[in-house]
Amino acid sequence: DAGVIQSPRHEVTEMGQEVTLRCKPISGHNSLFWYRQTMMRGLELLIYFNNNVPIDDSGMPEDRFSAKMPNASFSTLKIQPSEPRDSAVYFCASGRYTEAFFGQGTRLTVV
Amino acid sequence: GENVEQHPSTLSVQEGDSAVIKCTYSDSASNYFPWYKQELGKRPQLIIDIRSNVGEKKDQRIAVTLNKTAKHFSLHITETQPEDSAVYFCAASIPNSGGGADGLTFGKGTHLIIQP
Repeated sequence: DAGVIQSPRHEVTEMGQEVTLRCKPISGHNSLFWYRQTMMRGLELLIYFNNNVPIDDSGMPEDRFSAKMPNASFSTLKIQPSEPRDSAVYFCASGRYTEAFFGQGTRLTVV
Repeated sequence: GENVEQHPSTLSVQEGDSAVIKCTYSDSASNYFPWYKQELGKRPQLIIDIRSNVGEKKDQRIAVTLNKTAKHFSLHITETQPEDSAVYFCAASIPNSGGGADGLTFGKGTHLIIQP
């Protein structure tokens, strides 16, 4: 099993541009989570899906952030327009029932 | 929502000594408590977890204890080694009636430093 796969690993973009982060969960897992990690705020849950359905998006910072899960093997997190304060490492994690296994993360830098 | 507090934020111990990291949670409905280890520049990795029907769980040099009455749980690492140096996160989650997992709420992390 390749684990949770995220792409890209690194992304540098200019303020105002659209950014799309991608995630492929572990096959058979029914839950998918998007987290953001910064030094100041630690690991924050942005949104999670159960069986491809968004359950709780209360952690999404604002309307500039959106997430989709069109099928059990793919999810995206989109930021439009991006701002410098969005710079962070974004982790996708998947799990079954309760466990969560993290992907390698996407380091996003907005300049 | 759930709130998880973790202490200390930094812990330095001599190699071979034991390390203890403590967490408290606020929502009595939480029933799953994992611990993650994150090395610099890498992903958080699940190292051990405990569920509300168990008071203690051990895996080699690592053990976790849970006190549901007091709403706190702890990670114990014995015979620490240099490779134990990392940031450790505790987390808690509430069961989801839909049959899937609920989102984990993480503590702020403990930077464990093992001194040779």
